[in-house]
Amino acid sequence: DQQVKQNSPSLSVQEGRISILNCDYTNSMFDYFLWYKKYPAEGPTFLISISSIKDKNEDGRFTVFLNKSAKHLSLHIVPSQPGDSAVYFCAASFRHSGGSNYKLTFGKGTLLTVNP
Amino acid sequence: ETGVTQSPTHLIKTRGQQVTLRCSSQSGHNTVSWYQQALGQGPQFIFQYYREEENGRGNFPPRFSGLQFPNYSSELNVNALELDDSALYLCASRLPTGEAEQFFGPGTRLTVL
Repeated sequence: DQQVKQNSPSLSVQEGRISILNCDYTNSMFDYFLWYKKYPAEGPTFLISISSIKDKNEDGRFTVFLNKSAKHLSLHIVPSQPGDSAVYFCAASFRHSGGSNYKLTFGKGTLLTVNP
Repeated sequence: ETGVTQSPTHLIKTRGQQVTLRCSSQSGHNTVSWYQQALGQGPQFIFQYYREEENGRGNFPPRFSGLQFPNYSSELNVNALELDDSALYLCASRLPTGEAEQFFGPGTRLTVL
């Protein structure tokens, strides 16, 4: 049972336009959400995160939106640049009672291609 | 400040063998997690170590085991290798305080023949 889903395996956009990557989750206990970017032959790089008490978080060109009622989050990249071309993973986490277990549950990823 | 490092980069083993992968966590990070990323999939949580003890485990059999050392570095051991163990193994570390952001190393690509 996949608790974090990224239903679009790939997305192609033109340089300068907006990229919107989507993610859905099924476990309502998740209270923290993260986006990672991964280039080939490298480990995932942390991009941006959001707590379940917020519905939006911005960091430069990257904005993450969280809709808890729909169990949906999205990552907006504006403007998109060719260097943004990578696989983007959505991840979710929750703190288990009595510990500091921050296990991340990942989606399968979306390959973003930004064309010059 | 150095990031998370892993060794070796690539490894080829045969079915039934044992393998040890190593990870040095980012400076100041005392929690280390290991993930397995199969081709076309997202990383899957194997286990986490905090203060040298396992404090969380994913859906992996006991032949996957680990260690964390006083300097917070860590090992992942896999016994009785199977073909399906072929994957990218990622190590991640995080700060003892703050939110859930984890910082990943470049991974070890394991191929089981």
